[in-house]
Formats: sequence, C-alpha cells, structure tokens
Amino acid sequence: EVHLLESGGGLVQPGGSLRLSCAASGFTFSSYAMSWVRQPPGKGLEWVSTISDSDGSTYYADSVKGRFTISRDNSKNTLYLQMNSLRAADTAVYYCAKDSMRNRLDLYFDYWGQGTLVTVSS
Amino acid sequence: DIQMTQSPSTLSASVGDRVTLTCRASQRISSWLAWYQQKPGKAPKLLIYKASSLQSGVPSRFSGSGSGTEFTLTISSLQPDDFATYYCQHYNSYSPAFGPGTKVDIK
Repeated sequence: EVHLLESGGGLVQPGGSLRLSCAASGFTFSSYAMSWVRQPPGKGLEWVSTISDSDGSTYYADSVKGRFTISRDNSKNTLYLQMNSLRAADTAVYYCAKDSMRNRLDLYFDYWGQGTLVTVSS
Repeated sequence: DIQMTQSPSTLSASVGDRVTLTCRASQRISSWLAWYQQKPGKAPKLLIYKASSLQSGVPSRFSGSGSGTEFTLTISSLQPDDFATYYCQHYNSYSPAFGPGTKVDIK
C-alpha cells in the first residue's frame, strides 16, 4: 500500500526557513516523479514544485522560484522541500504527491500525503 | 501560463441527482486534464485522468469528458459520500495548475 507521510511543518516568522520532509513507502520511490502541492486555509490547491525520477530535474511555480528548493534522497525514500525567505502568503497545508506514471513526468497525482501545516506569522 | 476556471463555484443537489461540473482552460490542453475530489481536512483523491479515464477504484457513476478547452465531470447519481469539493487540474506543461474548485453541497 502506498503511503506518504509529511513532516516538518510549524510556525515560522516572516523571512525564516523551514524544511519539509515526505517519507514514502509501498512503491518504488526512485521510479516516480514527486511533487509538492499546497493549500492555504479555506482556499484551493496550488502546485508548488516537482522533481523528476531519473535525472533530478526540478520545476517550480513562479510564486516560490528562487526561495524554495525541492530535492529527494532515493536511498531513504524521502522527498524534501527547503523553504527560505518565507512570507505570510506561504501559509498553507503542504502535501507531497506521487506522479501517476512510472518513469515519466506526467504531473497528475494518484497518491497524496495527509499534509503538514506551515504558518508564517510574527 | 494556462489558467483554469470552474463553474459553478457551488452546486446544491440532492441524493440521486445527476450533476455536471464544468472546467475551462485558457488555452487548448488536448486531454491533459485530471479531476480530484476533496473532503474537509483530507487530501485530494484522483478521480479522472486524461479527461475521461476513470482512476482504478473510483465508482463508475463518475465520468469525465471534453478536450481542448472545455471539460465536464458528471456524477450520474449523487451519493451521500459525494458531497465534497471537486478540482480540475491541467498537466499540459511543466507548470500544472488547478481550478478554483466546485463545492457540491446538500440541497
């Protein structure tokens, strides 16, 4: 059974940093692209970033480009999101999500974690 | 970037109703469209991909159609478990985007 478990969320001051992790199990992690999607409280979904399975190519939403860095450790079956220069507008539940197709970059998501809340406030 | 819109923003319906939700893309996206269901406090669940392909394990009362810029999600007979918010998402580029959602609530 596929399982994705995010951690690392919390309260951080504007301008601060936070690192999210997503521990994956139940599938061959190294064969799938992985993504982060966020949802501000009471609002809709926003794609944040994706990392490919093979060559580690990365993609970012304009709203986070230059501030967030996605990475993965295939030996630990773990996905990361390093978030720097955080703003109030980054406040959201952050979900990690698995790409649907093996060894491809399709960018639609068949499994999601339960999410971790990041609150940026002074 | 491609923008997604959904209508209506809220739909009130009764159990057993046939409901149709609409999603539009600002540019042609072929059939690169997915639909998700989300309930309060839960992660989204994939229902439909490639505009009309039913994800494994999803009840057959859900169906998707469309291509280009206009898409629909139809629930043939609304069940109590279907009251939720539905999002469309294009994946036509390396900058995927979600629509703002349609909330289906009880009439």
